[in-house]
Amino acid sequence: DAKTTQPPSMDCAEGRAANLPCNHSTISGNEYVYWYRQIHSQGPQYIIHGLKNNETNEMASLIITEDRKSSTLILPHATLRDTAVYYCIVRVATETSGSRLTFGEGTQLTVNP
Amino acid sequence: KAGVTQTPRYLIKTRGQQVTLSCSPISGHRSVSWYQQTPGQGLQFLFEYFSETQRNKGNFPGRFSGRQFSNSRSEMNVSTLELGDSALYLCASSLDGAKRGYTFGSGTRLTVV
Repeated sequence: DAKTTQPPSMDCAEGRAANLPCNHSTISGNEYVYWYRQIHSQGPQYIIHGLKNNETNEMASLIITEDRKSSTLILPHATLRDTAVYYCIVRVATETSGSRLTFGEGTQLTVNP
Repeated sequence: KAGVTQTPRYLIKTRGQQVTLSCSPISGHRSVSWYQQTPGQGLQFLFEYFSETQRNKGNFPGRFSGRQFSNSRSEMNVSTLELGDSALYLCASSLDGAKRGYTFGSGTRLTVV
């Protein structure tokens, strides 16, 4: 699975959009970009994933650049409960690839009141 | 629907003992994965089971083992416990371990003394 690079920490004001970047310059054509977050002492929570098109769900939006070498997770209106470590993961996703998620250091997002 | 259930939530064991942790996946999910999380090493993949077969294995010693039952429930066992095995052990389940995201449990906090 491709390696990802994320800033170690970011701050965001409550109610503002939080934009979390991820660099995955060695991504292959069949690798998806996944985002998870982990609130202190809980299990990671799946947020969103995508291949090359931008994706949106009830939690967030995922913007992937045209060359797929980087992506941005957008939390449109951050709340204090969004304070967590956010992980960007790149992996092949096929029926036989299994579930080996490789977590990096992630980005500690702190939402301030 | 019920989430991924891990038992017990907390456990204290003595060096040299063995321990068995349990994971009940979301109903209908056939893929169950296990992860170890420590402050020093972060989240690391242990192994994945799919339809009672180990499909993927991380880089852990043979003291770490697991199995999956016909109802998809999974157990992991650690024998001859070492102080370094103290960690949060997380279980994740998915329908097929492929494109879809994984749902994590809250984990079992193991302390080896």
